[in-house]
Amino acid sequence: GDSVTQMEGPVTLSEEAFLTINCTYTATGYPSLFWYVQYPGEGLQLLLKATKADDKGSNKGFEATYRKETTSFHLEKGSVQVSDSAVYFCALARYGGATNKLIFGTGTLLAVQP
Amino acid sequence: GAGVSQSPSNKVTEKGKDVELRCDPISGHTALYWYRQSLGQGLEFLIYFQGNSAPDKSGLPSDRFSAERTGGSVSTLTIQRTQQEDSAVYLCASRLETYNSPLHFGNGTRLTVT
Repeated sequence: GDSVTQMEGPVTLSEEAFLTINCTYTATGYPSLFWYVQYPGEGLQLLLKATKADDKGSNKGFEATYRKETTSFHLEKGSVQVSDSAVYFCALARYGGATNKLIFGTGTLLAVQP
Repeated sequence: GAGVSQSPSNKVTEKGKDVELRCDPISGHTALYWYRQSLGQGLEFLIYFQGNSAPDKSGLPSDRFSAERTGGSVSTLTIQRTQQEDSAVYLCASRLETYNSPLHFGNGTRLTVT
């Protein structure tokens, strides 16, 4: 069945460091891919998405490119801030047809230190 | 506008008791989801409602878990004879039934079974 694997945390970085959080998926066909973020004390919210191969999703300085050949959707940011400290979830969805649910990875905790 | 609302925000119950968790989705969102978030386990899909179609119950972990959605709006997740392993954060989400529209999550109900 479909699944998402993301790097385990916690990831601890200094402010202005470069961030990569790896995410790979297993799925047939062409799912849509998402990154969700959960800030402390808040609910999950969509960070960015990509719906087809080679699409790049971006938001708030974060980027991720849908790589069909490597079945990956790694999250990157060039210069992190303390306010980026949160848990990041990679997810895939295949809307339409028999299923309409999002499948999530286990989440990666990012801690950015000043 | 108002987001997804869940109540209670915290619930402590004794083992063996029944609990009901409530979700009020965003107005106009026809799709409603329940997920469970356990420490180190990521987000586990429980159940999905779409309009008047039969719900997708494939993620419910046992027959102690059930959910209903009345009038296509408010949903209640019921856990009977709670066990300690049911302790988790229960998240509700809703979305429009348009292609690739994102999930909007509530802040969750933290359930603790003592």
